[in-house]
Formats: sequence, C-alpha cells, structure tokens
Amino acid sequence: AQSVSQHNHHVILSEAASLELGCNYSYGGTVNLFWYVQYPGQHLQLLLKYFSGDPLVKGIKGFEAEFIKSKFSFNLRKPSVQWSDTAEYFCAVLTGNQFYFGTGTSLTVIP
Amino acid sequence: ETGVTQTPRHLVMGMTNKKSLKCEQHLGHNAMYWYKQSAKKPLELMFVYSLEERVENNSVPSRFSPECPNSSHLFLHLHTLQPEDSALYLCASSQDPGFSGQATRSSYEQYFGPGTRLTVT
Repeated sequence: AQSVSQHNHHVILSEAASLELGCNYSYGGTVNLFWYVQYPGQHLQLLLKYFSGDPLVKGIKGFEAEFIKSKFSFNLRKPSVQWSDTAEYFCAVLTGNQFYFGTGTSLTVIP
Repeated sequence: ETGVTQTPRHLVMGMTNKKSLKCEQHLGHNAMYWYKQSAKKPLELMFVYSLEERVENNSVPSRFSPECPNSSHLFLHLHTLQPEDSALYLCASSQDPGFSGQATRSSYEQYFGPGTRLTVT
C-alpha cells in the first residue's frame, strides 16, 4: 500500500523563523503532490500542488515546495513564518486515481 | 467559502441513534468523497462516488452507509455507532482524475467542506 510520511508531528517556531516540513511518499510511479493547510476551526484548503515541470512550486502566502524525485520527497518551506501560519499542514499524493494523505504536522508560531 | 458545505457542523449521538450527515457541492464536480479525520492519524478515505456511483469502499463498517442521489449531494447515514467512531468527518469534491488524461490533471484538486464533528456517547 502507498504511504505518505510526515516526519514532524508538532513544530514550534518564533515569528520570522524559517520553516521546512518534511514529506516522503512510497510510490515509485508517476505522482502528483499537494500540500493542504487547515487553520484552526477552518476547512482544509490547498496551499500548492505539483503536477509536472519545475520541481520548485510556489504556493499561496509565501509557501513553496520542492519535488525531489530521487528522494521521494516534497518538502514544504517558508523563509519567514508569521503568527497567522499557525495551522495543521497535510501532505498528499495522487497516484493513478487514488489520493493519500499524511498524518499532518501541527505548526505553532509564537509571536 | 469553498463551495462545499456540510451539515450539521457538530453532532452528538448515542450508540443506538440513527443520524445522517449531509454534504453539498456547488462546483460542478463529478466526484465526491467522505473522509474520517482522527487525531494523530492520516485522513482515512471512506467512500468515493464518481458520477453518482460508488467506486471505493475501504472496508468501512456497515454502520456507515453512504448515499449519493446526484452529483451535487452526498449523505452519510449513521446507525449503531461506537465511541471510537467519534471524529471529524470531511466531505470533499473534485473532478474525477480517473476520467482525466494527464494533460488535464493539473486542474485536479480536492475541495473540502468544513467537516462535521461527531461525538458518539
């Protein structure tokens, strides 16, 4: 079975710190990759997605992610976090017509 | 507003009750999904409907019964639930990637509703 691993379960950062959240997947074929965010009390919403082309993907709110095929990774980054980035972040992989989510990483940004 | 609405937002039910969760999407999508979100666990895909036909049932207990009367509406009927069924139940919709060639898959993403927080007592 395919799997999506998010190594960091809970991350605490101060404002202006840099962020990198890890995501690895187990599928060896063609994949499409997503990062979703869930702000407190709100629904899951798409941050960014990768389908093809440039492996460095820019998303909303200053987030970006890099697809490294050789490492089966799609890590999420932001150079300077804000208090408003406090949320749960989910990595997801689409293989064929199956969609798989990771367990999520809870990010807390301290003002 | 995501275009996917869910009602109720919160539900408390006893183990002998029967209740239903409702999802509605206003995005013109042809696939709808039910997920279960529990703490510290990956999102669990429960059911997938494509063009109103069920295409996935990941060994979900029969006490959960989905219904998709049309492409815009999805229900999850609940009966004789257990306390471990307490969770956030999320509905999502999308264009079905199984019907899309690679050239159109870049438009594929799932849109989620706000969820129903279910507590079984």
